[in-house]
Parts: sequence; structure tokens; C-alpha cells
Amino acid sequence: GAGVSQTPSNKVTEKGKYVELRCDPISGHTALYWYRQSLGQGPEFLIYFQGTGAADDSGLPNDRFFAVRPEGSVSTLKIQRTERGDSAVYLCASSTGLAGVGTQYFGPGTRLTVL
Amino acid sequence: AQKVTQAQTEISVVEKEDVTLDCVYETRDTTYYLFWYKQPPSGELVFLIRRNSFDEQNEISGRYSWNFQKSTSSFNFTITASQVVDSAVYFCALTGLNYGGSQGNLIFGKGTKLSVKP
Repeated sequence: GAGVSQTPSNKVTEKGKYVELRCDPISGHTALYWYRQSLGQGPEFLIYFQGTGAADDSGLPNDRFFAVRPEGSVSTLKIQRTERGDSAVYLCASSTGLAGVGTQYFGPGTRLTVL
Repeated sequence: AQKVTQAQTEISVVEKEDVTLDCVYETRDTTYYLFWYKQPPSGELVFLIRRNSFDEQNEISGRYSWNFQKSTSSFNFTITASQVVDSAVYFCALTGLNYGGSQGNLIFGKGTKLSVKP
């Protein structure tokens, strides 16, 4: 079956602009996670959804970052007033079952570059 | 706090050599899960294995094997007879169900870059 998909694969924007990154999870997966990976580092957790609600957003770095999952499937990560430090690869993962129990399967990521 | 340490930043081997990637973890959780992911140059994280804290049996899958030892908080990964296609960054990750990781988000190590030369 289809894996996790993310669009766009690459996004270049200017400092101060608004961006949206989209994630399509594996069909039937109720849990969805966003991570951010900087060069040479492991992915870092941003936010977790169980169904439509954000169960844990403790990893969001500040209030410029926001994510939604209105119908419990597709999720959008939104970044306002982008800064150069936001440049990274944004990864989405999905899993079945209870939090922490299901294996997380990752999408190919969106490489965000803020000029 | 939860933490995963992969002390080896980069490893270079010649094809057909065996190589072991080290992973040491810290957690207060009594129930937790450990993972290994592979990230080839294409960038997508590929799931390799998941282990729960109650199962210390070693596992073998083809040329891959994993050694989980709770006594030393380690979950090491060995590739036997390495191949050029094994070249990638390998990440060890941890999630817990009680104190750490909140709702199951993964805590990753910094990764080990493996280069297998022909």
C-alpha cells in the first residue's frame, strides 16, 4: 500500500513569509507525528495527533508554529513569519494503535529553506 | 529524562566486513520501545526493527542482527558481510509510555554515518 506522503518535497521561501507543509499518512493510521531534522542531527519531535486533536504539542519551538488535522487524516504544519533558523527537513510519520506502541513510518520529508 | 547516545559519528568499512553500531539509552520508564531506522542518501527514514523492554532476545534478520541488553542499557546493531548498499545514516530511537516521550514520540540519537567502500 501507499506510504506516508509529504508535499512539497522542497520549499524555498523568504524570511518573514508564511509556509504550509502537508502530510498524508498511511490510510487507517490514527496517530500522526511531525518532526524536524537539522543537518547532521537526528529528528526532533514537534507535535503528535491522535485523530483530529493535538495530543502533545510540547515540541513546537514557539507560537509561530501551528499544525492541524481537521478530519483525522491529512495534516498541515503551518509556520508564520519564517526565520532562517527554521530551515530544516520536516518529517511526518504515522502509526496505528496506542501512542508509543505502534511503529512510526516516515514520509520522505519536506526540505524547507528560508533565505 | 530520556536520552539516546550513539557515540560513533562515522564509521567506514570495506565491503564484506562486519560492523557494529552502538546505541546506549537512558529512561525512567519501565515500559519502553527501542527502534533502529536507516536513512539512505535519498533521505527517507526506513524502519528496521522495534524492540520492547520486556523482550531481551537477540534478533537476526538476514545480515542484520540486534543485541538488546537491559543491564547495560544498550541496543547494538550489527551488519554482517556489509555491502555498499548499506551505506547510510543509522538512527537508534526510544519511546516510553510513562515519564518520557509524552505520547510516544521518538527520541533519536544523533545517528551514525556508515560508509561501505567496495
